[in-house]
Order: sequence, then structure tokens, then C-alpha cells
Amino acid sequence: DQQVKQNSPSLSVQEGRISILNCDYTNSMFDYFLWYKKYPAEGPTFLISISSIKDKNEDGRFTVFLNKSAKHLSLHIVPSQPGDSAVYFCAASASRSGYALNFGKGTSLLVTP
Amino acid sequence: DTGVSQDPRHKITKRGQNVTFRCDPISEHNRLYWYRQTLGQGPEFLTYFQNEAQLEKSRLLSDRFSAERPKGSFSTLEIQRTEQGDSAMYLCASSPWTGGGQTEAFFGQGTRLTVV
Repeated sequence: DQQVKQNSPSLSVQEGRISILNCDYTNSMFDYFLWYKKYPAEGPTFLISISSIKDKNEDGRFTVFLNKSAKHLSLHIVPSQPGDSAVYFCAASASRSGYALNFGKGTSLLVTP
Repeated sequence: DTGVSQDPRHKITKRGQNVTFRCDPISEHNRLYWYRQTLGQGPEFLTYFQNEAQLEKSRLLSDRFSAERPKGSFSTLEIQRTEQGDSAMYLCASSPWTGGGQTEAFFGQGTRLTVV
């Protein structure tokens, strides 16, 4: 069963605009959430994370929002740049399971000039 | 380069053969994870080690799969009697563990296995 869901397989955004990637989860034991970026034939690269005790974390152009009651998180990229084009994976983990990551299927982001 | 290193990057093998992959984590990281990724899916957890102890195994890890981390440094993942369904990208990740909570895991570039 898919405990982490990314319901949008793809997203296209113009350069300079905001990209919003969404993620839903079902397991209430998850207490740590991460976003990874992946290029073809490479391993995932860590982008940003958030603990369940927070509702927002910001790092430069990237902001992650967590809504625990809705079991929903989102990644905002502002402003979007063509180099941001990649597949973005949402991941969640629980301390009781050794922080093994549960990944969504990914959203392919295309930022057009 | 002090990142996570995986070897080989690509492996083509005939069905029924055994294969072994190696992962060298970031040196100060005591947690090491193995994941598998197939086309159109996110990475799926297989197993993880804290130092040399294998602490958790996914039900995805059948009897044909075995992982070791003998000295708490590098790790190997062996697949015996490979099947076509084993074709995937095998990813290794490492993270530090101080007992103070989660930190991000850093991934290697993966080993692409093709079983023909």
C-alpha cells in the first residue's frame, strides 16, 4: 500500500513563477518529511526537510509546508528556474521504524523559459 | 569526493546468475540503507544497518537477497538466482545517527541492474 502519494505525475511552470508540488500521506506515525530531487540516471539529492513539530521550513527559494491534520505537505519553489526541471520525490519516515524513508511516485517538474 | 559511492554503476546479468553490489557510505555515517527503484515508482526501502547490525528488513527482501555490513563501513547487497523482476536501480543511502532525531539521508548514484 502506498503510504505517501503524489497525485500529480507532472507539472509545467514558466520560469520566474511559483512551482507548488503536493504530497499526501496516510500513516500518522510519520514524524519527519523530506523532499528529494532526482535527475535521470542519478540518485536522489536531498532538498529540504521538515519535522512534525513544525509547519514550515524555508531554505532559499524552497519552502516546505506541513499540515498534519490534513496529512498533507507541499513544496514551493519561488522563483522557478529551468535548472529546477527534475523529478521531485516526497518522502516520509517514522522514528519507530529507524527512519526508513517511504517515497511517493514522484512529480516531474518542467520549468520553461 | 566524499559522497556515497556505489559500484558497479551498471550490471547486466543472465537470469539465474548471482550478483553483488557494493556501497561505500559517507565515512562518518553510521546508518546505511538500501532501496530499490523501478520505472515510474519512487525508491522502495529494502533494509538498513546501524553500524554492523542489520536492524530492519522489508518484506520486499526475499530469501534470494542478502545484505551485509561486516565492519560497519561498506555494505554489500547480493541477489542470488536473479530473475527478470529484479531489474531495477538499487540505491544506497547513508545518514548520521546521534540519537537526537532524524537527519537527511544522502544517496549514491545507484547500480542499474538488468536481468536478461
